[in-house]
Amino acid sequence: EIVLTQSPGTLSLSPGERATLSCRASQSLGTHYLAWYQQKPGQAPRALIYGASHRASGVPDRFSGSGSGTDFTLTISRLAPEDFAVYYCQHYDTSRFTFGPGTKVDIK
Amino acid sequence: EVHLVESGGGLVEPGGSLRLSCAASGFPFSAAYMGWVRQAPGKGLEWVGRVKSKGAGGTVDYAAPVKSRFTISRDDSKNVLYLQVDSLRTEDTAIYYCTWEVPEGAFGSWGQGTLVTVSS
Repeated sequence: EIVLTQSPGTLSLSPGERATLSCRASQSLGTHYLAWYQQKPGQAPRALIYGASHRASGVPDRFSGSGSGTDFTLTISRLAPEDFAVYYCQHYDTSRFTFGPGTKVDIK
Repeated sequence: EVHLVESGGGLVEPGGSLRLSCAASGFPFSAAYMGWVRQAPGKGLEWVGRVKSKGAGGTVDYAAPVKSRFTISRDDSKNVLYLQVDSLRTEDTAIYYCTWEVPEGAFGSWGQGTLVTVSS
């Protein structure tokens, strides 16, 4: 069973700064089936990135995903006020879906 | 525009049952892989289960903690997804989200969720 670990648990930054969020898998994932989601308080999650690096429709280009194997990164190039939220990575493998524990990005 | 609207949540005693529904619109439901994800209060996201389209065999998969207690079904004539939850435990207390699975095994759209509270 693949386990996803996200770091840091909390990232405290100011608007305009760059955010780098990590998702590490216990086994190699290749470049497929790794997604990222954003969740704001009281709201459902929203898909940001599919297939490690492909932005979902309507997602601003300040969000980018990268990585392969066991190490994946979500980068927010310049934090906008609406980007302060919790971010989850997620993997799909052989009829099973796994989420990471999340990284909270809060205002410094 | 894709819409997923869950209903059927509520307060239930341990050992009880509920049937959650998800009304879908704005996409070809009968061809879609649909599923459920839950989130306990203050916690992270947990996959519950998924049903493939009938064209792909209609296979249903479940997460280990709910297998044998939860049942996912679909009515393609009504564009509705169901989650029958039986033998509920306090640890099943969560918001249950309906999801539409897109290629690459991701959840492209989410409903607003329905809260299930298991308590005596």
